Amino acid sequence: DIQMTQSQSSLSASLGDRVTITCRASQTISTYLNWYQHKPEKAPRLLIYSASTLQSGVPSRFSGSGSGTDFTLTISSLQPEDFATYYCQQSYIIPLTFGGGTKVEIK
Amino acid sequence: QVQLQESGPGLVRPSETLSLTCTVSGGSIANDYWSWIRQPPGKGLEWIGYVYHSGTTGYNPSLASRVTISVDMSKNQFSLKLSSVTAADTAVYYCARRVVVVTRDYFDYWGQGTLVTVSS
Repeated sequence: DIQMTQSQSSLSASLGDRVTITCRASQTISTYLNWYQHKPEKAPRLLIYSASTLQSGVPSRFSGSGSGTDFTLTISSLQPEDFATYYCQQSYIIPLTFGGGTKVEIK
Repeated sequence: QVQLQESGPGLVRPSETLSLTCTVSGGSIANDYWSWIRQPPGKGLEWIGYVYHSGTTGYNPSLASRVTISVDMSKNQFSLKLSSVTAADTAVYYCARRVVVVTRDYFDYWGQGTLVTVSS
């Protein structure tokens, strides 16, 4: 199985901050990397697919980059509704696997 | 707008079979892949498996010996059965649509999730 590692289990940030969340794959996955936002009691929301493509309806302050094994999700200016847990997920090979999540909290 | 809704018992006895159904509305279950994903309390997301509208399935090897996912085109539903459950199977279970198109492969619509507790 491909292991997805999000080294930060949580981070604290203030409104307006630029936030960077990282994800590393245990082997190369090209750009088969997706990012999701998850809030308690809600369905996870797709933000970015194929490493850098913004899903329709997602604000442009979200962006993704990377290829191979190292990937980044960036929120350019943190908004109140962005406090949530973010997961990366590889779709390169079955079994599909997720990172452990990074919880973005208010500083 | 596609919507997914999980349904099924919230409590299952150890060693019994967990059964959940996902009802798809706002779109047809044909032409897409449909998945189950779970999240144990305090832990991350785990992909369980998928079913294609044709009935083709794929499972996480860690669960494959206990999992069956099936589709009912007439009801626009797909289902999960997980046998011989233990407390480790306690989790919020999500159903989701998986899009697979050339180099794109992602979950774009998810249900709200349903908590299933395994306990006697």
